[in-house]
Amino acid sequence: QKEVEQNSGPLSVPEGAIASLNCTYSDRVSQSFFWYRQYSGKSPELIMSIYSNGDKEDGRFTAQLNKASQYVSLLIRDSQPSDSATYLCAVKGGSARQLTFGSGTQLTVLP
Amino acid sequence: EAQVTQNPRYLITVTGKKLTVTCSQNMNHEYMSWYRQDPGLGLRQIYYSMNVEVTDKGDVPEGYKVSRKEKRNFPLILESPSPNQTSLYFCASSWGMRGDSPLHFGNGTRLTVT
Repeated sequence: QKEVEQNSGPLSVPEGAIASLNCTYSDRVSQSFFWYRQYSGKSPELIMSIYSNGDKEDGRFTAQLNKASQYVSLLIRDSQPSDSATYLCAVKGGSARQLTFGSGTQLTVLP
Repeated sequence: EAQVTQNPRYLITVTGKKLTVTCSQNMNHEYMSWYRQDPGLGLRQIYYSMNVEVTDKGDVPEGYKVSRKEKRNFPLILESPSPNQTSLYFCASSWGMRGDSPLHFGNGTRLTVT
C-alpha cells in the first residue's frame, strides 16, 4: 500500500466550477500536510499547508483535513484555466524528517 | 533572487559513465533534498541533508551518492549510471523540516541514460 495515495485523474472541470482533489495517507502519526502545484515541465510550488483538523482557506483554495479518516483534500473554487496543472499531496510523518509525496492528480480546467 | 540552482538542465549519458548533478541554494537553508520524478510514481526522495556533513537516505537511495561539505551545495553523484536512473531530478531546500517551512525546488534536471 502506498503511503500517500491520490487519484491520478485526469480530472476535468469547466471554468468557474469547484475542483475537488483528494488524498489519503497511511501513517496515523502524520503531522503536516501540504499541497503543491506543478505545471507541465516546471518544478512544484507550495500552495497550501494544513496541520489541524478542519478547513483552511486561502483565496480560492481550501484545504480540508480529517485525521481520523486519514484524509486531506483541496478545493479550488471558481476554477480558472490557469489552474490546469498536476496537484501533489505531501505528508510529513512522525519522524519529522521525511516528506512523502503522492503521485499527483492532473487537473484540466476547460474554458 | 532567492533560488535553488540545478545544473545541467538536460543530460544524456551512457551506462557506467560517472556524472554529477550540482545543486546550490542562496537562502542559507539547512535542509536540502534530492527527488526523482517518474510518471505515475510522483516525487520520490533519494537523499536528504539536515545540515553540513549530515546526510541520510530517502526512499530510493540505491545507485546514488551525495555530499554536503558546504551549506549551500548538495551535489548528486551517480557513480555508474544505469538506464533505470533515467528520470527527472529535483533538488529542493527549506529552513528545516518545520511544518511551516515550504520546500523550494530547483528547475529540474532531465537525465537520460542509454
